[in-house]
Amino acid sequence: DQQVKQNSPSLSVQEGRISILNCDYTNSMFDYFLWYKKYPAEGPTFLISISSIKDKNEDGRFTVFLNKSAKHLSLHIVPSQPGDSAVYFCAASKNDYKLSFGAGTTVTVRA
Amino acid sequence: DAGVIQSPRHEVTEMGQEVTLRCKPISGHNSLFWYRQTMMRGLELLIYFNNNVPIDDSGMPEDRFSAKMPNASFSTLKIQPSEPRDSAVYFCASSAATSGSTDTQYFGPGTRLTVL
Repeated sequence: DQQVKQNSPSLSVQEGRISILNCDYTNSMFDYFLWYKKYPAEGPTFLISISSIKDKNEDGRFTVFLNKSAKHLSLHIVPSQPGDSAVYFCAASKNDYKLSFGAGTTVTVRA
Repeated sequence: DAGVIQSPRHEVTEMGQEVTLRCKPISGHNSLFWYRQTMMRGLELLIYFNNNVPIDDSGMPEDRFSAKMPNASFSTLKIQPSEPRDSAVYFCASSAATSGSTDTQYFGPGTRLTVL
């Protein structure tokens, strides 16, 4: 039973434009959310996180937005760069060690 | 600084054989995780250790799977006997989290296992 869903398996965006990745969750007990980025033949690397007490967290070109009432979060990448081409995983936890991951969204940034 | 180290990076074996995957966590981290990634189930947690003690093994699929952490710098995941459905990428991750809490998990490069 997937508690974290990324309904878009892929996203193609032009360099310099905004990438918006979406994630929905079903478990209302989740209160900590993360995005991981993964290149081929590498492990996922932590990108950005947000606690449920916030609705926005920003780190450079990356911003995560959380809408608790809709059980929805999104990752914005502005501007998108070729090096951003990767698989992005959304993950959620009840502020403990156990992360539930989405299936991932493959982002391709076109030059 | 060295990240999480996993070996081997690739493993091809025949059904029925024993497979051992190895992991060296980041020095100073006291939490270690084993994950499995498949197309059907995505990334799923198999087992979680804190201070070398298994805390949560509810994700271990069946008795054919076992994991150990004999010391703070080494862990193994063993499959015996292996089956074709065990084919997946296995990731090890570590974090500085104390027991039960959350902290950033750092992943190794993974071991791609193929069971023929």
